[in-house]
Amino acid sequence: GESVGLHLPTLSVQEGDNSIINCAYSNSASDYFIWYKQESGKGPQFIIDIRSNMDKRQGQRVTVLLNKTVKHLSLQIAATQPGDSAVYFCAELGGGADGLTFGKGTHLIIQP
Amino acid sequence: GAGVSQSPRYKVTKRGQDVALRCDPISGHVSLYWYRQALGQGPEFLTYFNYEAQQDKSGLPNDRFSAERPEGSISTLTIQRTEQRDSAMYRCASSLERTQDTQYFGPGTRLTVL
Repeated sequence: GESVGLHLPTLSVQEGDNSIINCAYSNSASDYFIWYKQESGKGPQFIIDIRSNMDKRQGQRVTVLLNKTVKHLSLQIAATQPGDSAVYFCAELGGGADGLTFGKGTHLIIQP
Repeated sequence: GAGVSQSPRYKVTKRGQDVALRCDPISGHVSLYWYRQALGQGPEFLTYFNYEAQQDKSGLPNDRFSAERPEGSISTLTIQRTEQRDSAMYRCASSLERTQDTQYFGPGTRLTVL
């Protein structure tokens, strides 16, 4: 089964609002986590990453939070814009694995 | 600079034929990965190269799938005797050195087996 998953297949938000996309992982040996954005017809695009020795990391308009106690990862997008519309995947790496393990993705829809 | 490139972008083949998919990683990137992505799903790991050495092929579904990277740069994923269930998007990614460096993905090859 999936070791990384997302709680919601679709998230609809108003333009300008903040978006929060959640992810649960089950492999406690994972020590590196990444959020990717995938627009229609394109490959996954790196957004932000976080290592297990951190619980928060900020980028430009994005913040990733890691809660190792409950094995939960979230991506916060501030002031959501139409260009943020995409499928968002969380991915994990660790436990000796060489390849990323991806979840199923959340489709973020921006309402005007 | 140029990102990861893949060719062909689309490949339609008949069941039983062999196909070869090519990946050209970002220049200077030591690590190269192949993934397969089904519609509506996240990419699924197939295999990993460090320079020319195939370090991990645990994700290859069966022995019809093979990959090589003979000179430590361009890689080819070969599927022999294709089956309809092999239809998917095949994606390549590369990272600078280690597996924990950021993996940058290419546009993918859409394989359709009739």
